Amino acid sequence: ETGVTQTPRHLVMGMTNKKSLKCEQHLGHNAMYWYKQSAKKPLELMFVYSLEERVENNSVPSRFSPECPNSSHLFLHLHTLQPEDSALYLCASSQDRVDDEQYFGPGTRLTVT
Amino acid sequence: GENVEQHPSTLSVQEGDSAVIKCTYSDSASNYFPWYKQELGKGPQLIIDIRSNVGEKKDQRIAVTLNKTAKHFSLHITETQPEDSAVYFCAASPDRGSTLGRLYFGRGTQLTVWP
Repeated sequence: ETGVTQTPRHLVMGMTNKKSLKCEQHLGHNAMYWYKQSAKKPLELMFVYSLEERVENNSVPSRFSPECPNSSHLFLHLHTLQPEDSALYLCASSQDRVDDEQYFGPGTRLTVT
Repeated sequence: GENVEQHPSTLSVQEGDSAVIKCTYSDSASNYFPWYKQELGKGPQLIIDIRSNVGEKKDQRIAVTLNKTAKHFSLHITETQPEDSAVYFCAASPDRGSTLGRLYFGRGTQLTVWP
């Protein structure tokens, strides 16, 4: 257990569905991240939040919508996804800076049909 | 932006042998280099990191070396054990003077240690 939990662990959704991924960290960290992990590709940073404020949006399509209601919770809202969005979505947190150790959750395996 | 290349993509070794994974980076402003281990069904876990003011760092069977001139860094695992089998990722972070930079990851190395 890293102190970062993600739900659900697996999700299958159709292209017209709307779903949300949830991340919670119990570490008292101030920064939270969403990453996309696809086979044979490097981890791709999607969003960064610092003290509940989005500080980076890495050219992610608008069908992905993040939300950070407080420093312990992070959501990724999904709508009208494409099959190429199927991947492992990882949440991470760090104390403050990116070069603080990042603690990753186990990820949500998303399949878009 | 930063570009991190990692080699090899797969590595098989016999238990007790050493394993070496190498990464190169392109941005000379990068100054933080972590290594992550990802086991099946889990998220990546930091195993060791090095900063640009240090050339080598060791933690038990794991060591990392950094050559800033050549822009490459390597992970060395000695006396490998079957539980070392996992995917290993290197990463680099340029310091842009902001509070939050970002990590650029390599594509990963699948290490298999045979008993």
